[in-house]
Amino acid sequence: ETGVTQTPRHLVMGMTNKKSLKCEQHLGHNAMYWYKQSAKKPLELMFVYSLEERVENNSVPSRFSPECPNSSHLFLHLHTLQPEDSALYLCASSQRTGDYEQYFGPGTRLTVT
Amino acid sequence: TQLLEQSPQFLSIQEGENLTVYCNSSSVFSSLQWYRQEPGEGPVLLVTVVTGGEVKKLKRLTFQFGDARKDSSLHITAAQPGDTGLYLCAAKPSGGYQKVTFGTGTKLQVIP
Repeated sequence: ETGVTQTPRHLVMGMTNKKSLKCEQHLGHNAMYWYKQSAKKPLELMFVYSLEERVENNSVPSRFSPECPNSSHLFLHLHTLQPEDSALYLCASSQRTGDYEQYFGPGTRLTVT
Repeated sequence: TQLLEQSPQFLSIQEGENLTVYCNSSSVFSSLQWYRQEPGEGPVLLVTVVTGGEVKKLKRLTFQFGDARKDSSLHITAAQPGDTGLYLCAAKPSGGYQKVTFGTGTKLQVIP
């Protein structure tokens, strides 16, 4: 596989469920990102990791919990979500933190019922 | 927070027409990127511009960075149905470590 992959592509979960989103990059990059994309809103940066260390957390509710076990993998653990959390969750990577050229995965379309 | 405004928000045109979309801000940026996002997919980087006044061409797409590095335009010549998608600009402010900010996007539909 090449580029940035994300699984699952679609996820429907109830408000009491626990699920995880997975992202993997095959580009040898050192920085990885989670974004939330909602209708009619700009992409919202959620978390930034550089070499497995979290460098930014943009006031994201604790029901979203990121994990970066190595520089190629990034997870977003979800629990007790709200319907307003329904969105497209995008993972991206770049050579270094703050690099302007980011490479995105296809996203996970999350629906919270 | 740096605000990037894109216009128009929506654009529906016939195949073969030309169009221009804009990305504007009151802030100065060290670089600006354009992405295209197709339905059900993540954004794909089209181009990065870094120099004020810079013009870059990618086949039928022409990108320009404003002289003052506060704005950019994307012009598409003879639009094709394959150009349909959400066009996002993203920019990194000047000075020190700053995160990339994304615009709200222009949704383009090219009708065959």
